[in-house]
Amino acid sequence: DQQVKQNSPSLSVQEGRISILNCDYTNSMFDYFLWYKKYPAEGPTFLISISSIKDKNEDGRFTVFLNKSAKHLSLHIVPSQPGDSAVYFCAASAVRETSGSRLTFGEGTQLTVNP
Amino acid sequence: EPEVTQTPSHQVTQMGQEVILRCVPISNHLYFYWYRQILGQKVEFLVSFYNNEISEKSEIFDDQFSVERPDGSNFTLKIRSTKLEDSAMYFCASMGPARDGYTFGSGTRLTVV
Repeated sequence: DQQVKQNSPSLSVQEGRISILNCDYTNSMFDYFLWYKKYPAEGPTFLISISSIKDKNEDGRFTVFLNKSAKHLSLHIVPSQPGDSAVYFCAASAVRETSGSRLTFGEGTQLTVNP
Repeated sequence: EPEVTQTPSHQVTQMGQEVILRCVPISNHLYFYWYRQILGQKVEFLVSFYNNEISEKSEIFDDQFSVERPDGSNFTLKIRSTKLEDSAMYFCASMGPARDGYTFGSGTRLTVV
């Protein structure tokens, strides 16, 4: 199942700089996208989401950009902090009347922010 | 901050045994899910549950698996006759009626030996 793909398994940035995590999808039925952060032995923690009717959503240091024509989204973290070091998952869903939203996940990108 | 609670955090079971993984979703949520993550692989959807019945299941969710919401608060995943390849982190999630607050629990690590 390659409907959601995160091509970079890892990313390393300096503290204070911008982190950009990328995600591509193939299913044009996806209309809602989420980013989750995950630490080892914990569940995914919701960060930010975006609906397909928007191209940008911002929450504090986190901004998600959606390019529907390219089927691409990205998560920007600025400024990056060492505490941001974790695995970041992109997830996508399509509205289904009865099931709510089944999420399809990417492989994840390990972000390391160096002090 | 409301949270999804999963128990136990770690379960070790003999191959062929049955296990029940338990979840308490957020109280006003209406949609419930189970996902799993085999070590080194993607988080995968197993099943969704709405209005007291399964609304969607993946190809992974075969007759070996079942879900139940026995008492209006707990949401359980039963795995019968466990196999070595069932070893994984199992995550419960719930979502509110406005498609908001899609929240995951901290997971149960299932180890089949």
